[in-house]
Amino acid sequence: EVQLVESGGGLVQPGGSLRLSCAASGFTFSSYEMNWVRQAPGKGLEWVSYISSSGSTIYYADSVKGRFTISRDNAKNSLYLQMNSLRAEDTAVYYCASRGAYGDYEVIDYWGQGTLVTVSS
Amino acid sequence: DIQMTQSPSSLSASVGDRVTITCRASQSISSYLNWYQQKPGKAPKLLIYAASSLQSGVPSRFSGSGSGTDFTLTISSLQPEDFATYYCQQSYSPIFTFGPGTKVDIK
Repeated sequence: EVQLVESGGGLVQPGGSLRLSCAASGFTFSSYEMNWVRQAPGKGLEWVSYISSSGSTIYYADSVKGRFTISRDNAKNSLYLQMNSLRAEDTAVYYCASRGAYGDYEVIDYWGQGTLVTVSS
Repeated sequence: DIQMTQSPSSLSASVGDRVTITCRASQSISSYLNWYQQKPGKAPKLLIYAASSLQSGVPSRFSGSGSGTDFTLTISSLQPEDFATYYCQQSYSPIFTFGPGTKVDIK
């Protein structure tokens, strides 16, 4: 069974930093592209970042570019999101999610349960 | 980046109703369009990929159509477990973007 378990969320002051982790199991993590997706309280889904299976290709949403860094450790079956210069608008549940493919068509197929990040003084 | 819009933002319907949700992309995305269902406090679930392909295990009352910039998600006969929020998402660009969501609640 595929499992994605996020950790590292919590309360942080504006301007502070936080590192999220995602532990993957039940599939060959090193073969999968991964994403972070967030959801502010009562709001919709926002794609945050992508990393290829090898880590060589990375993309970010404009809203986090220059402040967040995605990385992975395939030996540890883990995905990370380093978040710096945090703002109140970064308050959200952060989901770790795998990117699968059906032929030419990519989807987000597996999701973690999410970890809440609250940016407040 | 490709922007996604959805209409309506919310709707009230009864069990057994036919429900249609529309999604529009800011540029042509061919059939690179997915639909997700999210229930409160839960992670989203993939329903439809490639605009019209049903994900394994998803009931056949769900269907998708469209290509280019205009897409539709249809629930042919709404069931109690279908009350949720639905999001479209484009995968034409590796920079994924989601629509703002459509909340379907009980009339």
